[in-house]
Parts: sequence; C-alpha cells; structure tokens
Amino acid sequence: GAGVSQSPRYKVAKRGQDVALRCDPISGHVSLFWYQQALGQGPEFLTYFQNEAQLDKSGLPSDRFFAERPEGSVSTLKIQRTQQEDSAVYLCASRPARNEQFFGPGTRLTVL
Amino acid sequence: AQKVTQAQTEISVVEKEDVTLDCVYETRDTTYYLFWYKQPPSGELVFLIRRNSFDEQNEISGRYSWNFQKSTSSFNFTITASQVVDSAVYFCALTSQGGYGGSQGNLIFGKGTKLSVKP
Repeated sequence: GAGVSQSPRYKVAKRGQDVALRCDPISGHVSLFWYQQALGQGPEFLTYFQNEAQLDKSGLPSDRFFAERPEGSVSTLKIQRTQQEDSAVYLCASRPARNEQFFGPGTRLTVL
Repeated sequence: AQKVTQAQTEISVVEKEDVTLDCVYETRDTTYYLFWYKQPPSGELVFLIRRNSFDEQNEISGRYSWNFQKSTSSFNFTITASQVVDSAVYFCALTSQGGYGGSQGNLIFGKGTKLSVKP
C-alpha cells in the first residue's frame, strides 16, 4: 500500500498479557517513530529508529516496553505484562529524510 | 524544554463560519519546525502544513490559512467558511532538527482542539 499500515487495528488484552503491535512504514522511509496517544490527549513520543538503529527510546514509559526494527523496515512494539494504564492508541509514523511524518491509523489497545 | 499549548479544548461553530485555532509554542532552539495535523474520527493523523522557523510568511491553501508570528511564539490556523467535513481534532506540533537527546525530530504535540462544525 501507499501509506503506513499498522496491525492489529484493535487489541484487547487481559492485564498481565504480552502484546505485539506491528508497523509497516512507507517503503524507503528511513525514519520510524512510535507514539502513544491517551484518550483526549495529543500523541506522545515513545521511540525513534533510523533504519534498524534505535537512536532514541527516551519516551518509553517503562522497561516493559520494547521496540525493534531488525531489517530497517517493519517495526514491532512489544509491551510485556500489560497494565491498565497502557490502554491507549499506539501510532506509528515514518519519514523520508527531513520532511513531515506520515502516520498510520494506529492500534487501539485496551487492557482489561 | 519544548512545549506546545492549544488552549482551546473544544470549539463548536455553524457551517460557513470562520474559525481560528490557536497554538502557542516554547522552544530554545533557533531552528525548529511547526506543524498542523488533522485527526478525523477514523483516527489517522493527516498532515496539513509544515513551517520552518526562518519563514514567517503566512500561507493560504484553499479555505485554510496559517499565521506564524515568532514575536508571540504563535502559529494559528484559520478555516474560512467551515464545512461539516472539517469536524475533527486538530493538533499543533513542534520539532527541531537534531533535537534533544538525539531525538532527530520527534514531534511534540499539543493536546489538540476538537472542532465541531454543525450544519
């Protein structure tokens, strides 16, 4: 497809479960970002990749959050032992060189 | 620290009214970029505009216009003759190239303004 895709679109997890969220960026985009958007709030930065290198993970809220992009394209955000406060929309964005970011539709995670 | 403030939480207008969404930013960088994104109910953030800190020229694109004023650290967005399809949450965002901690341009978002345009 032409845009950023994310899967699943919706995920319901029981507290304590592990989840994995996938992002397929636009082909050729070097930069990839993950954001967390709580209900009624603006997106907040989680982590950034340049190709396969994770250059900034300062926004990850705890060591239960882990992201990878092993081949410099698809990225996975993993949350271990989910908690209710992890409930949010997780947005992925990709960017070519220095330009605007293109966002995917997000994954809405609900932790019960 | 970098910060974006959108003081208007919700705005409701009647179709064909003009509406201005306010955005005030804070940054110590001399080179930075400002953005507006639209988030319709479907959830996907749609890019509207990007301005760099060296270009204060106002911009018009159809019914949309942007007023960038460095003196007041503001980057306001006006929709002229609003339409129902303009109903969405609008986010103002800020980034600086080579930003803090090697973040390489992650966006700092405001909390958004929910615009409702009624027929």
